[in-house]
Amino acid sequence: EVQLVESGGGLVQPGGSLRLSCATSRFTFSSSEMNWVRQAPGKGLEWVSYISSSGSTIYYADSVKGRFTISRDNAKNSLFLQMNSLRAEDTAVYYCARVVTGRKFDYWGQGTLVTVSS
Amino acid sequence: QSALTQPASVSGSPGQSITISCTGTSNDVGYYDYVSWYQHHPGEAPKLMIYEVSNRPSGVSNRFSGSKSGNTASLTISGLQAEDEADYYCSSYTTTSTYVFGTGTKVTVL
Repeated sequence: EVQLVESGGGLVQPGGSLRLSCATSRFTFSSSEMNWVRQAPGKGLEWVSYISSSGSTIYYADSVKGRFTISRDNAKNSLFLQMNSLRAEDTAVYYCARVVTGRKFDYWGQGTLVTVSS
Repeated sequence: QSALTQPASVSGSPGQSITISCTGTSNDVGYYDYVSWYQHHPGEAPKLMIYEVSNRPSGVSNRFSGSKSGNTASLTISGLQAEDEADYYCSSYTTTSTYVFGTGTKVTVL
């Protein structure tokens, strides 16, 4: 069974940093395009960032551009999200998700909760 | 990068059909046929229900169908069942090579 397991969430003060990880298994991670998607409490899903299979192409939502950095380690089948200058509005459950042909998100993790509060 | 517009809630009785709309712009829903729909139960991973406007992944009930006209896509659930109660989100690829989700619709089975 395909697995995507996020980790690294927690409580952080405004202005602080956090690094999320997504460990994957049972699919060919190195040839997969990956994303981070988040859901704030009581809100809808929000796309955060995309990275191509090689890592050479990256996109961000305007709301996180300049503060978040997506990266990957294909040797370790892992995806990362470095989050700096965190704000209260970044509080959310963060999901990693694979996007495939047809621009559809076919595999998702269970999410990790990030809470930004003093 | 404004969210696609969905009704906040839709309800129906078992066996009925309901339709959820998803309105975007000519830069996302209206430009590409890369509209997909996701079912989301709180605390679980979202599940792909429809992709490329009207295609169903294997394993998804044929009670779920999708369509699009102009800048608006729609998801129809026919023969509504209690297990269909969940939040539903549309998503579209955009002309800036990013993705945008809908505001989400809570489906209630009466």
